[in-house]
Amino acid sequence: EPEVTQTPSHQVTQMGQEVILRCVPISNHLYFYWYRQILGQKVEFLVSFYNNEISEKSEIFDDQFSVERPDGSNFTLKIRSTKLEDSAMYFCASAGSFYSPLHFGNGTRLTVT
Amino acid sequence: DAKTTQPNSMESNEEEPVHLPCNHSTISGTDYIHWYRQLPSQGPEYVIHGLTSNVNNRMASLAIAEDRKSSTLILHRATLRDAAVYYCIHSGRGSGGGADGLTFGKGTHLIIQP
Repeated sequence: EPEVTQTPSHQVTQMGQEVILRCVPISNHLYFYWYRQILGQKVEFLVSFYNNEISEKSEIFDDQFSVERPDGSNFTLKIRSTKLEDSAMYFCASAGSFYSPLHFGNGTRLTVT
Repeated sequence: DAKTTQPNSMESNEEEPVHLPCNHSTISGTDYIHWYRQLPSQGPEYVIHGLTSNVNNRMASLAIAEDRKSSTLILHRATLRDAAVYYCIHSGRGSGGGADGLTFGKGTHLIIQP
């Protein structure tokens, strides 16, 4: 069965550094999402992306965050200047259509020191 | 997406049926009810969704109350691999995921005893 793949599985970075989290959604999917989950807390919606633009974003997704689909296969989340509180699991998801369930990757654990 | 209410945790024995309840009293007429689960150290996984009628798939069944203010996810024969956090979500956009994200609550932590 096709999968959403995320790399790296674990990223450690220093506060203030830029990080890019990478995702390869399922190949024929059109809707793309980023979520995060701080340890022991809820899965939180960050942003949705369709037709090469952001469809919706949460309050968490401030100017430090950006998303891009640079080619036909990758979907990236960039955090411009990381803070300690950005430490979390970041999940990418994709969906084939507006009515389809979301398929999630297994996440990238971001640790900001 | 509006709020749902689920028990914090439930425990069941292996190979027995499990009924996971969810209250969604503020659901509107076009909201779908979605269930996802999250196994340890993994991303959320779609389980099932429905609108009004009961739904079955290879993973589970979804029983929706007639007034749609509650639903129950049924695992017919739980295995140890079903131990996970189960999330009940109703989407205000009446779709699966769509352009807008789903809002996850705290879910029910299902513990399966061997």
